[in-house]
Amino acid sequence: GNSVTQMEGPVTLSEEAFLTINCTYTATGYPSLFWYVQYPGEGLQLLLKATKADDKGSNKGFEATYRKETTSFHLEKGSVQVSDSAVYFCALISNTGGFKTIFGAGTRLFVKA
Amino acid sequence: GAVVSQHPSRVICKSGTSVKIECRSLDFQATTMFWYRQFPKQSLMLMATSNEGSKATYEQGVEKDKFLINHASLTLSTLTVTSAHPEDSSFYICSAHRQGMNTEAFFGQGTRLTVV
Repeated sequence: GNSVTQMEGPVTLSEEAFLTINCTYTATGYPSLFWYVQYPGEGLQLLLKATKADDKGSNKGFEATYRKETTSFHLEKGSVQVSDSAVYFCALISNTGGFKTIFGAGTRLFVKA
Repeated sequence: GAVVSQHPSRVICKSGTSVKIECRSLDFQATTMFWYRQFPKQSLMLMATSNEGSKATYEQGVEKDKFLINHASLTLSTLTVTSAHPEDSSFYICSAHRQGMNTEAFFGQGTRLTVV
């Protein structure tokens, strides 16, 4: 079945450090890929998405590129801020999976001032 | 953009009572909605797929008699937790897909249920 694997956290960084959160997926068909962010006590916010190979999603300084050859969708940000502290979920929707959203386990990010 | 409204955002109920959670697509029609559950510090797990006008499809291990799902219109799905117990305390989130556009889900704000 379809699945998403992302690096375990927590990830602790100093402000202005470079962030990478790895995400790989397994899916049949042509999935769409997403990154969501969840702040403490809140719901999910869509951070960025990519719907086909080589697409790059970007938002608020975050980027991720849909790599079909490596089945990856790694999240990056060049300079993190304290306000980026949250849990990040990689996810996919596949036409072969009933269009349900499959989530990774989530990666908690702590950014220190 | 597409907005999904979930109500209530927080609810506390006594053991043995039932709680209804609503999920509404405010500016689009949704033939399919999904219900997820999230335990503290864990990921979101799909509970069931709700299709307008038909019975919900439950994931393995989810009790359909305990978690009643109704999708009576193209803009509303409800989840009723029946005879709630403390172990049902969790964060419940719904999502909806635009009719004819299944490649992106729009999520509600979530409902934090506490059963005392």
